[in-house]
Amino acid sequence: QQPVQSPQAVILREGEDAVINCSSSKALYSVHWYRQKHGEAPVFLMILLKGGEQMRHEKISASFNEKKQQSSLYLTASQLSYSGTYFCGTENSLASGNTGKLIFGQGTTLQVKP
Amino acid sequence: DTEVTQTPKHLVMGMTNKKSLKCEQHMGHRAMYWYKQKAKKPPELMFVYSYEKLSINESVPSRFSPECPNSSLLNLHLHALQPEDSALYLCASSQDMAKGETQYFGPGTRLLVL
Repeated sequence: QQPVQSPQAVILREGEDAVINCSSSKALYSVHWYRQKHGEAPVFLMILLKGGEQMRHEKISASFNEKKQQSSLYLTASQLSYSGTYFCGTENSLASGNTGKLIFGQGTTLQVKP
Repeated sequence: DTEVTQTPKHLVMGMTNKKSLKCEQHMGHRAMYWYKQKAKKPPELMFVYSYEKLSINESVPSRFSPECPNSSLLNLHLHALQPEDSALYLCASSQDMAKGETQYFGPGTRLLVL
């Protein structure tokens, strides 16, 4: 039931773009994206809801394909501050047994180099 | 203000000790969560309180005992822990447990059990 994230790790140069994917075997109601820096708490980036629009936070945007049960996080013109581990958290739809819980993927480690 | 505070930041305890972790939020949120996070792993849900009542217990061992004294406070009482319980303990809160609500995380308590 845990969503699968890909890739597991990515290394970028400043200014390059990256895409992180999150895929579930269950029908989803929402997908939540967080970034966690080493030794710190996860920081909320954005939430995508079933039937909602693509979201954007500065140069980071995300999409949610309900039919494919997938979400993608797009990091454009990456900055050093984007380094960290990105987690998607999925919330099942009512039909898939929504219990109000977020289930987190295993994480994608992003390293941005100068 | 989306601040969740946690005390202490670090805790070292022996296997026979009793200690407590505290979490506080003043956002008027009615759902509060305890997560456990091991190094390089995603947060794992332990407990959820909704409107000060325990709503979800993810089959957590009884050596962990949650308490919600009021709508702003969440405690996690620890007793007779094992070394494998060493981890980062994260508290989070959301408006309520309804679908699509954002969870905001506190900075966490890093626990070491000797």
